[in-house]
Formats: sequence, structure tokens, C-alpha cells
Amino acid sequence: EAQVTQNPRYLITVTGKKLTVTCSQNMNHEYMSWYRQDPGLGLRQIYYSMNVEVTDKGDVPEGYKVSRKEKRNFPLILESPSPNQTSLYFCASSPILSNQPQHFGDGTRLSIL
Amino acid sequence: AQTVTQSQPEMSVQEAETVTLSCTYDTSENNYYLFWYKQPPSRQMILVIRQEAYKQQNATENRFSVNFQKAAKSFSLKISDSQLGDTAMYFCAFSGGSNYKLTFGKGTLLTVNP
Repeated sequence: EAQVTQNPRYLITVTGKKLTVTCSQNMNHEYMSWYRQDPGLGLRQIYYSMNVEVTDKGDVPEGYKVSRKEKRNFPLILESPSPNQTSLYFCASSPILSNQPQHFGDGTRLSIL
Repeated sequence: AQTVTQSQPEMSVQEAETVTLSCTYDTSENNYYLFWYKQPPSRQMILVIRQEAYKQQNATENRFSVNFQKAAKSFSLKISDSQLGDTAMYFCAFSGGSNYKLTFGKGTLLTVNP
């Protein structure tokens, strides 16, 4: 089954404790992206990657890191999480072909205390 | 920079009736794509319908159709024969340019009443 898998689905943690949210896709997509969703703001792009070893900032990259060492994986790293990073996070992927629709993971709810 | 505006934070409709959700956007791109995504309480992001800007014909997917007005930069979603399972947050999204980024509106919460 074609899918984007995010882990964990839920996480409650404390300020300053490094965490990683994993994202993996099995569709051989070149493009991957992270979004955060906050009430009243819709979804905003954090980082994206056009292919292996190619990453770039989105609209709200502060406080986040990403890496793309393999085509299927695109982890989101919070080196020193803060309460303002409490949010719902989505990973998405698509082929780089005429703006094909992005496939979304099921989301990760992060709470930073 | 592209912007997407959904002016209706919340809407409600009776089961079996028709409802239209509004979306306007702003861009200097000539070639772009527009989407409507549905987010039910399960939080999944589900693609409802997609429109290519170069196509004049409005996209249709079963009970869902769009009214795409390129000159007015308007992209509304019409849901016919509304069902209880249509209750969800609906996001309008724009994609254009070289980075494939989706720019989302703030969403419209649709409630279908029995």
C-alpha cells in the first residue's frame, strides 16, 4: 500500500530535550516536505527536499532541522524544542512531475511543556 | 509570494443539501495548480479535488465540483447532496513555481447536520 508513515503519532516532552519525528514513504517520490498546522493558521511549510541531499527552508524553518540521506526518509529534528513548537506536524511527498498531488502522512501531535 | 484566503471560518449545511466553500488566491505565476483538501476529525489530509490553471474546464469528482475563475483568482468548492461524512475542515491550497510548496488557506470548518 502506498503511504507516508510518520512516527510517533503523539509525543509529550519537555523544553530542551532533543527529539526526532521520522517520515518514510514507499512511493519512490523525489519531493518531500514538512508542514506544521496551528489553529487559525492552516498549514505552513517548514522544510522541503527535492531529492537526496537536497533540502531547503520553507516559511517557518526556525528551530528545526532536516536531513535527506535516503530517498524514502525525511526526518524532522528539533534540537532544543520550545513550547511554541507545540503543534500538529505533517510529512508529505510527491513525484516531481507536473505538480502531482502531495500524499500526506497521518500527522504527529507534539506537545512541548 | 502566494496567498490563499478562505473567508468563511465555519459553515453548516443540512444533509442532502448543497454547499459552496469560497477560496481566493493571489499569485503572479501563470502556471499553477489548486487543490481542496479535507481534514476529518481523524486529522488525515485527504485530497478532494485538483484543478490545473491552464484548463478552463472545471474539475469534478462525484459530488464535488469547483468553480474556477482564473481572472478573478477564485476557486470555490461545491459539495452536492451533502452527507454526514462530509463534516470536516476543508483547506484550499495553491501550488506553483519551482519549489512545489503548497500554500494553504486557514480552512473552513464544515458541519453537515442531520
